[in-house]
Amino acid sequence: AQSVTQPDIHITVSEGASLELRCNYSYGATPYLFWYVQSPGQGLQLLLKYFSGDTLVQGIKGFEAEFKRSQSSFNLRKPSVHWSDAAEYFCAVGAGGYNKLIFGAGTRLAVHP
Amino acid sequence: DVKVTQSSRYLVKRTGEKVFLECVQDMDHENMFWYRQDPGLGLRLIYFSYDVKMKEKGDIPEGYSVSREKKERFSLILESASTNQTSMYLCASSLPRLAGVADTQYFGPGTRLTVL
Repeated sequence: AQSVTQPDIHITVSEGASLELRCNYSYGATPYLFWYVQSPGQGLQLLLKYFSGDTLVQGIKGFEAEFKRSQSSFNLRKPSVHWSDAAEYFCAVGAGGYNKLIFGAGTRLAVHP
Repeated sequence: DVKVTQSSRYLVKRTGEKVFLECVQDMDHENMFWYRQDPGLGLRLIYFSYDVKMKEKGDIPEGYSVSREKKERFSLILESASTNQTSMYLCASSLPRLAGVADTQYFGPGTRLTVL
């Protein structure tokens, strides 16, 4: 069955530190992978997506993610975190037709000044 | 920019009431989705629609129904609200999957529903 696992429920980093959020997926075919961010009280905003080609994907707000097929992973990274990055982050895999998505449980990021 | 709007940001209803959540998108998208979001569970798909009057069950359709009479509007209906339906409800829309390539889903701001 298709699934997405985000192993870290909460992560706390200091402002200016680097960040890596983990995402592992289970999907039989070529995955379409997404990272979304949700600020408090808001809907989800797309950070970046991977469909094919270059396995290192650049997104908005200075985020990037790397697709590693051998590890079934799509980890999100940022070299220097800003206080405004505090939010909840969701990894998702495109599953089957009609653009359905399967989401992970999310990782809540806190940023210390 | 794609805009997805939801009729209410916050809603409080009583057990047994019929509840309507409305979603409107302005980008002529064929696909529309309803999710519920609960802490520790992420987003779970309730129903989706790939065309006017067409609908498909998602992973957790029990207790819900949907209506899509116009392309831009997708309604989620709780026939008889229960306390376990207290949650954040998110609507999304997307273009259809073409040539095997999944497309981005665009989300509304969400409706936080409390059932007392």
